Formats: sequence, C-alpha cells, structure tokens
Amino acid sequence: DIQMTQSPSSLSASVGDRVTITCQASQDISNYLNWYQQKPGKAPKVLIYDASNLETGVPSRFSGSGSGTDFTFTISSLQPEDIATYYCQQYDNLPPTFGQGTRLEIK
Amino acid sequence: EVQLVQSGAEVKKPGESLRISCKGSGYSFTSYWISWVRQMPGKGLEWMGRIDPSDSYTHYSPSFQGHVTISADKSISTAYLQWSSLKASDTAMYYCASERVEQLGPVGWFDPWGQGTLVTVSS
Repeated sequence: DIQMTQSPSSLSASVGDRVTITCQASQDISNYLNWYQQKPGKAPKVLIYDASNLETGVPSRFSGSGSGTDFTFTISSLQPEDIATYYCQQYDNLPPTFGQGTRLEIK
Repeated sequence: EVQLVQSGAEVKKPGESLRISCKGSGYSFTSYWISWVRQMPGKGLEWMGRIDPSDSYTHYSPSFQGHVTISADKSISTAYLQWSSLKASDTAMYYCASERVEQLGPVGWFDPWGQGTLVTVSS
C-alpha cells in the first residue's frame, strides 16, 4: 500500500491566519491526490481533487498544490467554520489510502 | 441531488452477524461505485473496499479481505456491508461513499458520503 504522511498532526491558528498542511506519499502518485475536510460528528467532504482542483461550491480560500510525492493544502485566511480534521487521500494505486489527518483548532 | 442514506446505529455482541445498508437517491445508482470506509474511535479513515453496482464487481483492501462482504441490489439502489462474526475490534463508524464513473473509469475521489453508521460490538 502507498503510505501517506501528513504534517503536522495538529495545528492551532488564529482567525485570519494562513494555514498550510503537507502530505507526502511513499512513492510517486503524479497528481492523484485529494483533500477532505471532516467536521466533528460529520462525514468527510471533498475540498480539492487531483491535487489542485477546487470542488464546486468550496470557498476559494482553500487551495492545493504539488505533484509526485509532495503536496500542500492551504487555507489563505482561516475562518471559525474551518475547524475540522483534514485528510489527504491518494488514488494512484489500489487500495486508496488516507493520511493520518491534521486536526485544526482555533487559537 | 446525489444523496446516500445509511441505516441506523447497531449494538451487537461478539460472534453475531450484521448487515448495514447505504441507499442512493437523486442519481442513476449504477453510474457511481460505492466504497465503504472505516473510522475507528478517534482515528483516521481506512478504505475497506468498493462495489460497482452495475455488475456487483467488488474489490477489497487486503486488510479487510475475508473479514467483510460488500454487495449491492441495484433494483433498490442499495449497497451493503456485512459481517458473519463480529469482533469487539469492529467497533467503529462506517461510511459509504460514492465515486463517479466517467468514460476513463472512476474519478478517484469520494463524493458524496453517507452520514455514517456507528457499529458497537460489546459483550
């Protein structure tokens, strides 16, 4: 299985801050990388697909970049409603695998 | 609107069998593959396997192969996840998630997801 390593595992930031999460794959996955947001008690929701494409309806403060093994997820200006755990997910090889998650809190 | 609605929470004893369901609506059920994802308490997401409802072809993660069975009944737009003998370690939230299929194959991301079914296994 392809291992996905996210960092940091948790993050505390202030409203308006720029927040960055990284995800590293154990092998080249091209751009087959997605990002999800999971709010407490809710199902995950896709925000970014194919590394950098914003899902319809997702605010433009969310963005993604990268290819190969190294990927970045950014929130340009943190909002209170962004409190959640964020996961990366690769689909280059079966089985699809997720990063361990990054818990984002408001400072 | 594409929507997945899962069956309700279950409390079972070790050794019991269980089948949970995921009903699709608002779209052609055979146009989306359905995956099942496990989330153990306080932990991350683990992909268990998926099914193509058009022909019931399944693919399992090696970690779950032989421990669960995924099936679907396209006549009622419903997918299932079942266990023949539950263990305490099966206690988790289980999500179904849909994956749109295009000309070149499945898109690779999961959207939308069901609301989750909490399975508790305890003696």
